[in-house]
Amino acid sequence: GEQVEQLPSILRVQEGSSASINCTYENSASNYFPWYKQEPGENPKLIIDIRSNMERKQTQGLIVLLDKKAKRFSLHITDTQPGDSAMYFCAASRNSNNRIFFGDGTQLVVKP
Amino acid sequence: EAAVTQSPRNKVAVTGGKVTLSCNQTNNHNNMYWYRQDTGHGLRLIHYSYGAGSTEKGDIPDGYKASRPSQENFSLILELATPSQTSVYFCASGDYNNQAPLFGEGTRLSVL
Repeated sequence: GEQVEQLPSILRVQEGSSASINCTYENSASNYFPWYKQEPGENPKLIIDIRSNMERKQTQGLIVLLDKKAKRFSLHITDTQPGDSAMYFCAASRNSNNRIFFGDGTQLVVKP
Repeated sequence: EAAVTQSPRNKVAVTGGKVTLSCNQTNNHNNMYWYRQDTGHGLRLIHYSYGAGSTEKGDIPDGYKASRPSQENFSLILELATPSQTSVYFCASGDYNNQAPLFGEGTRLSVL
C-alpha cells in the first residue's frame, strides 16, 4: 500500500504569518497529491493539488511544493487569516488503482 | 454540477440493530469510498469500490459490509451496530484520471 505521514498534527500561528504543513510518502510510483481543507462540521474540500510532473504550484495564497527525490510534499499558506483555521489533509495516489491515501491531518489555528 | 449525496444525514441506532448508509453520485465516477472520521481525527477507509459489482476492503473493514449495485450507488451496511461505530461517515467518489475524490456531506451516526 502506501503510508502518508503528515506533520505537525497541530499548528498555531499568528494572523498574517505563514503556515507550513509537511507530508511524506513511501511509494515512488505515487504521482498525484491533493490537499483538502475541512472546516468544523463540514466535509473535506479540495483546495489545491499537484501532479508529479510539477515541482511547484500556487493559487490564491496557497503554495504546494513537491520533492520527488525526497518523497516529500508540502503546503504553505501565506498571510494566514482566521478563516484559514481548519483541519488540513494531504493525500497521495497513483494511477494503477487510484486508491488515495490520506495523512492524519493538521489542525491549523490562526490567532488574531 | 458534480455531487455526492449521502442519506440519512443523521441516524440514531440501537446496539445490535442493522444500519444502512446510502451514497449516490451523479459524476459518473468509477471509484467510490466509505470513510469514518472520529472527532478531531483523520479519515479511515472502511471499504471502496472500482465500479458496479466490486467492493474492496479498506483499512478498517471489520463490522462493516459494502454494496455497489450500480455506478451511482454505494452502500455501507452495519449488520450488528455497536457503540464503537458511533462516528461521522463520509462517502466519496473519484475517477481513474487521478482527480481528487469528491466528498459527500457526511452522515452522523450514533449507536446507543
